[in-house]
Amino acid sequence: KQEVTQIPAALSVPEGENLVLNCSFTDSAIYNLQWFRQDPGKGLTSLLLIQSSQREQTSGRLNASLDKSSGRSTLYIAASQPGDSATYLCAVFNNNDMRFGAGTRLTVKP
Amino acid sequence: GAVVSQHPSRVICKSGTSVKIECRSLDFQATTMFWYRQFPKQSLMLMATSNEGSKATYEQGVEKDKFLINHASLTLSTLTVTSAHPEDSSFYICSARDLTGSNEKLFFGSGTQLSVL
Repeated sequence: KQEVTQIPAALSVPEGENLVLNCSFTDSAIYNLQWFRQDPGKGLTSLLLIQSSQREQTSGRLNASLDKSSGRSTLYIAASQPGDSATYLCAVFNNNDMRFGAGTRLTVKP
Repeated sequence: GAVVSQHPSRVICKSGTSVKIECRSLDFQATTMFWYRQFPKQSLMLMATSNEGSKATYEQGVEKDKFLINHASLTLSTLTVTSAHPEDSSFYICSARDLTGSNEKLFFGSGTQLSVL
């Protein structure tokens, strides 16, 4: 059974810092891995999708990497802003099963 | 920990039939549930937000008459794909919002793989 773990559970940084969020999974047989943002009271917003054949994806200040063999993914946020404050979740998908991490709650202080 | 049960996990149906997917929060009350879908090789996308006792809020491009959402109780939301067509074949997943405790949390069902023939 796939298990997804996110570290840290919470993170507080001053504005402008670069930061890394971590996601690990136990079963490397995945189709894709996704990173999402969750704001209070809202549904998930997809940030980056990495197919199993890919190593990384970039969108603006966000960069996500995937190392299937070690069961790890990282989300790198450059030059963080207060508006980045949210909970970030990763999820791995394998055909007909999707597993989510518990999320990292990020606070970026002005 | 909180658990969300989604049923069925996989369904195959003929074109033109309707399919109902259930999402239950087993040990907490969920005033809000979310429904998502993921087409092959695409990102998971929010379809609609379901609030108990009121009409669901649909994202742009999602047909509310085709994807009927009912959230009649604090522990159950259903998504009915009406008159399903092959292009509706997708992975559907729900999440339930848990407001107990100091921090809001989302818990997810295990998903439903829908194949329309």
